[in-house]
Amino acid sequence: AQKITQTQPGMFVQEKEAVTLDCTYDTSDPSYGLFWYKQPSSGEMIFLIYQGSYDQQNATEGRYSLNFQKARKSANLVISASQLGDSAMYFCAMAPGSARQLTFGSGTQLTVLP
Amino acid sequence: DADVTQTPRNRITKTGKRIMLECSQTKGHDRMYWYRQDPGLGLRLIYYSFDVKDINKGEISDGYSVSRQAQAKFSLSLESAIPNQTALYFCATSDYGQGSGYTFGSGTRLTVV
Repeated sequence: AQKITQTQPGMFVQEKEAVTLDCTYDTSDPSYGLFWYKQPSSGEMIFLIYQGSYDQQNATEGRYSLNFQKARKSANLVISASQLGDSAMYFCAMAPGSARQLTFGSGTQLTVLP
Repeated sequence: DADVTQTPRNRITKTGKRIMLECSQTKGHDRMYWYRQDPGLGLRLIYYSFDVKDINKGEISDGYSVSRQAQAKFSLSLESAIPNQTALYFCATSDYGQGSGYTFGSGTRLTVV
């Protein structure tokens, strides 16, 4: 079974600062994918970034980067230069191998302060 | 039009009623999913389907049923709604390969009174 743990129920960050959202995972599959999603107050789920377990380099997408530490089974999301619009719930998720059923963490509520 | 459309967006129903949530997609994806979101618990998988003839139970399928009417349509039914099924329900699609993530619908907010 797969498990995703997000230990930060809420985080605050000052506008223009960087913030790291923690995610650890547990799986016995050697091949898996890690995902981060953003859920603003409007409720939709927005795909942010993906990291494959065999990818050699950390994934980056604009201001988002994924700090992938395979040995520690962690996949932290780093948001650089935070903006007020980044205030949202952030979910870490994992899908093992070729299976596509995502398992989600409980989320981190990020608030960006002006 | 949205890639994944869920109807209705909001619904209030009474305990014991049967209710159907509908999902349609224009992504051309074979794989479709129903998730439920409760506060503080993230999203949990109810059912998933890899093609029209393939239906699988997820983590929390009790009290729910699904129908895959076509590649593009996947509906979720609550046979006899109960208050603890009050939640935000998401339909999602994906293709086979890794890396593309899911495409989610906008969600259906269901309240059972």
